[in-house]
Amino acid sequence: AQSVTQPDIHITVSEGASLELRCNYSYGATPYLFWYVQSPGQGLQLLLKYFSGDTLVQGIKGFEAEFKRSQSSFNLRKPSVHWSDAAEYFCAVGAGGTYKYIFGTGTRLKVLA
Amino acid sequence: EAQVTQNPRYLITVTGKKLTVTCSQNMNHEYMSWYRQDPGLGLRQIYYSMNVEVTDKGDVPEGYKVSRKEKRNFPLILESPSPNQTSLYFCASMDRGRGYTFGSGTRLTVV
Repeated sequence: AQSVTQPDIHITVSEGASLELRCNYSYGATPYLFWYVQSPGQGLQLLLKYFSGDTLVQGIKGFEAEFKRSQSSFNLRKPSVHWSDAAEYFCAVGAGGTYKYIFGTGTRLKVLA
Repeated sequence: EAQVTQNPRYLITVTGKKLTVTCSQNMNHEYMSWYRQDPGLGLRQIYYSMNVEVTDKGDVPEGYKVSRKEKRNFPLILESPSPNQTSLYFCASMDRGRGYTFGSGTRLTVV
């Protein structure tokens, strides 16, 4: 069965520091992988997605993620965090070509000035 | 602008009083879904719809109903709300495999 694990519930970084949010998934075939961001009081916005091809994908707001099949991971990274990046981040996995998606429980990012 | 519109944004109601949360999308997407978001539990799917008149249960359908009479609309109905349905609700739509477009959410409190 599909599953998604985000092991870090909360992460705090200083503004300007680098960021890595972890996501591990369980799925039998090559999954569709997504990262979403939820700012306070807002809906979820798609940051980036991976379907196939280049395992390093670029998204909006300067984020990138790397698909590592051997580790079943799809970690989100940003080289220099801005205060406006404070939000909750969700990883999601989908069965390729279907509409079934599973979301992780989220990682809340706090940015220190 | 491509968007999913939910109404209302905030709703406080009493136990047992029927309510409907509306959802509309303007992207001609076939697939629509309702999620609830609770602290520590992430997003859990309530119901989804593959197309007009085609709906199916998600992971937590108890106490909810949906309908899909038109492609653009997918209302969520709580026939007899209970306090355990207090939550943040999201409607979403998508093209197959392309990722969701989410609405801004409806915060429901049942007292």
